[in-house]
Amino acid sequence: RKEVEQDPGPFNVPEGATVAFNCTYSNSASQSFFWYRQDCRKEPKLLMSVYSSGNEDGRFTAQLNRASQYISLLIRDSKLSDSATYLCVVSPYNQGGKLIFGQGTELSVKP
Amino acid sequence: DAMVIQNPRYQVTQFGKPVTLSCSQTLNHNVMYWYQQKSSQAPKLLFHYYDKDFNNEADTPDNFQSRRPNTSFCFLDIRSPGLGDAAMYLCATSREGTPYEQYFGPGTRLTVT
Repeated sequence: RKEVEQDPGPFNVPEGATVAFNCTYSNSASQSFFWYRQDCRKEPKLLMSVYSSGNEDGRFTAQLNRASQYISLLIRDSKLSDSATYLCVVSPYNQGGKLIFGQGTELSVKP
Repeated sequence: DAMVIQNPRYQVTQFGKPVTLSCSQTLNHNVMYWYQQKSSQAPKLLFHYYDKDFNNEADTPDNFQSRRPNTSFCFLDIRSPGLGDAAMYLCATSREGTPYEQYFGPGTRLTVT
């Protein structure tokens, strides 16, 4: 079983749609959680950290359920520029900030 | 602007010919990481430095070595590149603390001929 598993993609949605990505992780001792965005042939960029209380940044909302070991990302009113691969990322406790990446889910927003 | 810089952006090397990739940062972060990312795969951690302490991943081949002469610079040495080492190599940095938010450089795309 992979340490971080994400929804298989790709997700093809029209502009303005709401899209949700899900992710599960296997290590219950995981400490920190993130969503990264990666454009084709570019480096991953931090989209947002995910906190137990849930957090929102504009059109993006992230949720964490430690009991279920589940992380989600909701994108509202999707834009063409949101097209990218979204990586669910987990950092285990006491491993110097090591990141474990999910395979990523590709999002394509169409006009 | 503070950033993570990688040089070169594209590197072509011959099978078996040693190659060095470099990373520098102006963020003054104490932790630096090297990742390998192959096409359509997630980035995979090779090793990281926590200050001067080197931490190797158990499954990183001996062919890959690293040096960190000071806080700002970190190098990835591939002693004898094989065709399977062709990939994007990503350098990242973070500051100690929780969460360890990592900031990536633009990567070096390595081709082995």
